[in-house]
Amino acid sequence: GESVGLHLPTLSVQEGDNSIINCAYSNSASDYFIWYKQESGKGPQFIIDIRSNMDKRQGQRVTVLLNKTVKHLSLQIAATQPGDSAVYFCAEKRGQNFVFGPGTRLSVLP
Amino acid sequence: DAGITQSPRHKVTETGTPVTLRCHQTENHRYMYWYRQDPGHGLRLIHYSYGVKDTDKGEVSDGYSVSRSKTEDFLLTLESATSSQTSVYFCAIRTDSNQPQHFGDGTRLSIL
Repeated sequence: GESVGLHLPTLSVQEGDNSIINCAYSNSASDYFIWYKQESGKGPQFIIDIRSNMDKRQGQRVTVLLNKTVKHLSLQIAATQPGDSAVYFCAEKRGQNFVFGPGTRLSVLP
Repeated sequence: DAGITQSPRHKVTETGTPVTLRCHQTENHRYMYWYRQDPGHGLRLIHYSYGVKDTDKGEVSDGYSVSRSKTEDFLLTLESATSSQTSVYFCAIRTDSNQPQHFGDGTRLSIL
């Protein structure tokens, strides 16, 4: 499959542990944020989103936290599974477009 | 999966040839986007469309043109391909404000 980033930061976690992936954004006026998961050879897949009027949003096994004070976004994955191995990246909305972070590679160890 | 089809999925061509990539959606979404993804750069916006015949440039638009003659199709054209345009190209669609983009599975383009 395609190489989505040869020098991405990598997070290695043990299967069953929780994962936390971080993202910094630059525009304090951004009001909408998204987390994507990208597996090798595939397009980015929507995981969860959050609007700036919220600090936290939960989905199935995933939680997104937004800290507007320090312009920081995090994705927490509970009970990480082998199928969670992928590249994860955040996106912030600017006008009608989005700016994407470089991504973090999550590696789940057996 | 969102109804997005990119074609071709893989293409190898020579420098100086024209190349057209197609994005087709069945969702009737207003917004369509073309990105390229390269190691070390993440996703970068090439062009986007906010309606039929309404398009605008992104941050890496040089050497690319687009057309959208109907809601469901967004075409990306490299008029004269160069080796620097070797990349993976993704199309995305979006319905409206504060809604996520949904992506196709990409086109791997190699220019020799």
